[in-house]
Parts: sequence; structure tokens; C-alpha cells
Amino acid sequence: GAVVSQHPSWVICKSGTSVKIECRSLDFQATTMFWYRQFPKQSLMLMATSNEGSKATYEQGVEKDKFLINHASLTLSTLTVTSAHPEDSSFYICSASPGNGETQYFGPGTRLLVL
Amino acid sequence: AQKITQTQPGMFVQEKEAVTLDCTYDTSDPSYGLFWYKQPSSGEMIFLIYQGSYDQQNATEGRYSLNFQKARKSANLVISASQLGDSAMYFCAMSSGGYQKVTFGTGTKLQVIP
Repeated sequence: GAVVSQHPSWVICKSGTSVKIECRSLDFQATTMFWYRQFPKQSLMLMATSNEGSKATYEQGVEKDKFLINHASLTLSTLTVTSAHPEDSSFYICSASPGNGETQYFGPGTRLLVL
Repeated sequence: AQKITQTQPGMFVQEKEAVTLDCTYDTSDPSYGLFWYKQPSSGEMIFLIYQGSYDQQNATEGRYSLNFQKARKSANLVISASQLGDSAMYFCAMSSGGYQKVTFGTGTKLQVIP
């Protein structure tokens, strides 16, 4: 099956620092990847759609200058949380589809804790 | 706009019994896809099953089956012969409009009792 990886799986950082999270599709190419955020005991909320070779599309209420997304290749998308603050602490998870329009496969997620 | 509703915040089921997790959806698009994902405490999202809006038959994957009632706009997940390892959060989700963007429901926490 399709495999999506994320790195790192855990991040603890000081307030004000920037954190980069990588999402890779390991055995397929993905022109589109998605970034979600999940707070404890809540559902996944889509943050943005990452498009290879073009700008990301952000959901309403998501600050694009704070959450920088780069889709450098067909197998890699990165999310950078700039000047992270404690309220940014969350579980960040990416997904990608092989392009059959049917199933999205998720990465294992990244837990971010900002002190 | 599309919407997914899961009305059961939590469910209990006896081991080896079957359980149905409810999901209703709303969309104006004629073409859409319905998904169920399992999220154990580790956090990863595990794809379980997919149903296309034009699929004539209900989807099945091992012990998972999707009871697709198109007129009622429901897509309930049925897990047969529950196992202790089935204890997790279960999310119903939908994509529509020929676009891969997925909307999630609020989830149902399933606990399997020995």
C-alpha cells in the first residue's frame, strides 16, 4: 500500500523558534498533499493544500505567513511553523493521494510542543 | 459546502460482537467519496474503507463494511467480530467535487470490552 512518512515525529521547542516538518510519499508521487492540525480530543482540521510547483492554498483562518508550506517535489512537502508559540502546540499530520482520487494516505503525524 | 456528522462520541462493544458506527453526510456534489479512518492512541490515521458515490455495492474490507444508504446520506461503518485492538477513534470523512480535499467528522471513540 501507499506509504507516507513524516519527520520528526516529536518536537519540543522554545517559544519564538521555527520548526520544520517534512512529509514524504515513499512509494508514489503526489502532486497534492494536505496538512492537517488536530488538537486533543478533536477532529482533524485542514490547514492547507500543498501543490507541487505552486503556492499552497490555505483554509480560512490559517495564517499563511505563520505556516509556510513548500512542495519542493512530487514526493516532498514541508510545513514550517514560524515563530512558534505555545498555542501552536498540536498534532500536525499530512496526507497524500496516489492520484486515483479515491484514497488519501496519512503520515504518522508530528507532535509539536512549544514551551 | 460539505459536512460530515458523527453523532456518537463514544461506543462500547463486547469482544467478538459486531458494532455499527454512524455517519451522515451532506453535499450538493453528485460525485463524492466516503472514507473511514481509524486513529489509535499513537495518533496515526489508518485508512479502513472507501465508498464512491456511484458504487452500486457496499464496500467491504475484511471485518469492515460500509453500509451506504445514498438516499438517507448515511455511510455507517460496521465492524464484525470486534477485537480488543479495534479500540480507537474512528473518523468518517468525505471528499467531493472531483477534488481530493477531505472533510472529517468529529469522530467516535470505540472501546472494545473483553
